[in-house]
Order: sequence, then structure tokens, then C-alpha cells
Amino acid sequence: QSALTQPRSVSGSPGQSVTISCTGSSSDVGGYNYVSWYQQHPGKAPKLMIYDVSKRPSGVPDRFSGSKSGNTASLTISGLQAEDEADYYCCSYAGSNLVVFGGGTNLTVL
Amino acid sequence: QVQLQESGPGLVKPSETLSLTCAVSGYSISSGYYWGWIRQPPGKGLEWIGSMSHSGSTYYNPSLKSRVTISVDTSKNQFSLKLRSVTAADTAVYYCARRVVVATDWFDPWGQGTLVTVSS
Repeated sequence: QSALTQPRSVSGSPGQSVTISCTGSSSDVGGYNYVSWYQQHPGKAPKLMIYDVSKRPSGVPDRFSGSKSGNTASLTISGLQAEDEADYYCCSYAGSNLVVFGGGTNLTVL
Repeated sequence: QVQLQESGPGLVKPSETLSLTCAVSGYSISSGYYWGWIRQPPGKGLEWIGSMSHSGSTYYNPSLKSRVTISVDTSKNQFSLKLRSVTAADTAVYYCARRVVVATDWFDPWGQGTLVTVSS
């Protein structure tokens, strides 16, 4: 069970859009539509931002969207704001009630 | 709303057993959902440790399975983590979280996390 692959860092200017990728295999990301995304600010607990690939929990701005193609899931943040600067983690169901997280991506708002 | 709070020793000696408890408020853990533990070494990413169903079935990360036990105390509405034979590599912030399953899979809410340092 290997960690999902995410870019170490991404950046964008306020108002722009950024996309964070999360690559796994047919045993996890590609095999199930159970990918979730979490936002983590320094010193804080992770916060659920997207579940089931593209669904947003109540209270999460519609600037956040998710998608999947094959073994790669993506999180897109449009209209970047300063408060979006954080670490982002993907997570996928991997069968047999197991889950696996990505290594995390640090988003910098320039 | 559902809230989770971790508690336990902040310092554990190498080779000993790390023991943490997660107290749940706002929901009876015996009523449903899964309940789990995730950890984060300093400056590193999240690692799923394991989960337990409301009925007591357990599921563990294969890389930790030989050293981990997750159990529940329904009378206190809390669940626990035991990690045996710890080393410095087990130093991390440990989070507990509710895991929502059944045609879906996600973690929410999370506890605030508790730092456990393994050192003599």
C-alpha cells in the first residue's frame, strides 16, 4: 500500500486557478470513486474539502472542485484567495476497508 | 455536533507501548460509522493507522498491523489506540477522526491532534 503521489508544492496568484494532482493505481484511485481531499493549515487538524471525487461538504466554497481521470484525481481551486494557502492531502479507498493518503501538496498564494 | 478529543501521554520511551484515547461527544459511537486514527510525523504527511467499525471490526494499515490495536469502550463513548514497540519513527501528531463509509469514504470531523514524542 504505497502513498498516493502529489506534487510537493504548487503556487498561484490571487484570483488565479491552481490544480493539484493525486496519482495512484487501479487498486485505489482508479478502482473506486472514493477520493477525498483535506486542507490543513499550520498547526491545525485537516479539514474535509471534497469527498467522493467531486462532492463538496456544506460550507466549503464552490471555488473548490474535484475530478478524476483514470488513476489520477485532481483538486482545482479557482479564484485563489490568501486563506487558501495551506497543505492539501488526497485520500483514496484502497479496498478491504483500507485507505491511503497522498504525500501532501503545499499551496502558496503569491 | 460531533466532536472528538484525543488524550494520552505526550512522551513514550522506545520499545514501550503508546496508548491514546479519543473521547467522542455529540454521537454514540455504538450507533454507527467507523472511527479511526491517523498520524502525522513532524513536517511530513498524513498516514492512516487504522479504523474500527461501530460493531467492533478493525482494519489496520498493513505496515503497522503487527503493532496496532484499536478498541472501543462504549460505556465511556470513546475508542483507543495502542501501538507497541515504538521507536523514534513513531513520533507524530496523532489524530482521531470519524470515518464515514457505506457507498462513500471520508474522514470528518477530526480531533485537534496530540503530539506524541518517542524518546528516552
